[in-house]
Amino acid sequence: QVQLVESGGGVVQAGGSLRLSCAASGFTFITYGMHWVRQSPGKGLEWVGVISFGGSTQYYPDSVRGRFTISRDNSNNTLFLQMSSLSAEDTAVYYCAKEASPYTSGWYWDYWGQGTLVTVSS
Amino acid sequence: IVLTQSPGILSLSPGERATLSCRASQSLSSSKLAWYQQRPGQAPRLLIYGASSRTTGISDRFSGSGSGTDFTLVISRLEPEDFAVYYCQQYGGSPTFGQGTKVEIK
Repeated sequence: QVQLVESGGGVVQAGGSLRLSCAASGFTFITYGMHWVRQSPGKGLEWVGVISFGGSTQYYPDSVRGRFTISRDNSNNTLFLQMSSLSAEDTAVYYCAKEASPYTSGWYWDYWGQGTLVTVSS
Repeated sequence: IVLTQSPGILSLSPGERATLSCRASQSLSSSKLAWYQQRPGQAPRLLIYGASSRTTGISDRFSGSGSGTDFTLVISRLEPEDFAVYYCQQYGGSPTFGQGTKVEIK
């Protein structure tokens, strides 16, 4: 069965950096675009970015562009989110999520991880 | 694209019908709208995509409809496990979510 397991969350000071990982199993990882989505009480659900199935293309919303970088290791079925210049507004539960169809850019998600909490302290 | 969900809270009894609305600030091409259910402490769960296509394994009590800017999720007969928060999400552009509708037990 499909499993997505995030790790790497924790408490970080404002201005600091953090790297999240998402270990994937139960599907052909290299054929699916992968996303990060975050959820905070104040801002609800927010899409954080995508990496294409091959890893050559990434897209980000304005809120994180230039500060966050998504990468993937297709040989080890792992997704990453490198976050820098963190502020209190980045405090949230971060989920990795799998696109519902292979190879396409249908940006909706049929499997999500359990989430990892990132807290940015000032 | 801004999504506005209504109502914010829906208080109903088990067995009743729930009707949730999602309005987009601009027309969504090819009805690129999804619905998710989120229970406390869990990740969102995909129910509907393409405005009306049910995901594998989702009960036929859940149905989606709509096009353009107005979309609806209907839960025909509420079961105890259906009391949760529901989000719409558009993928016609950079993905965005509605603020959610909480379906609570009356």
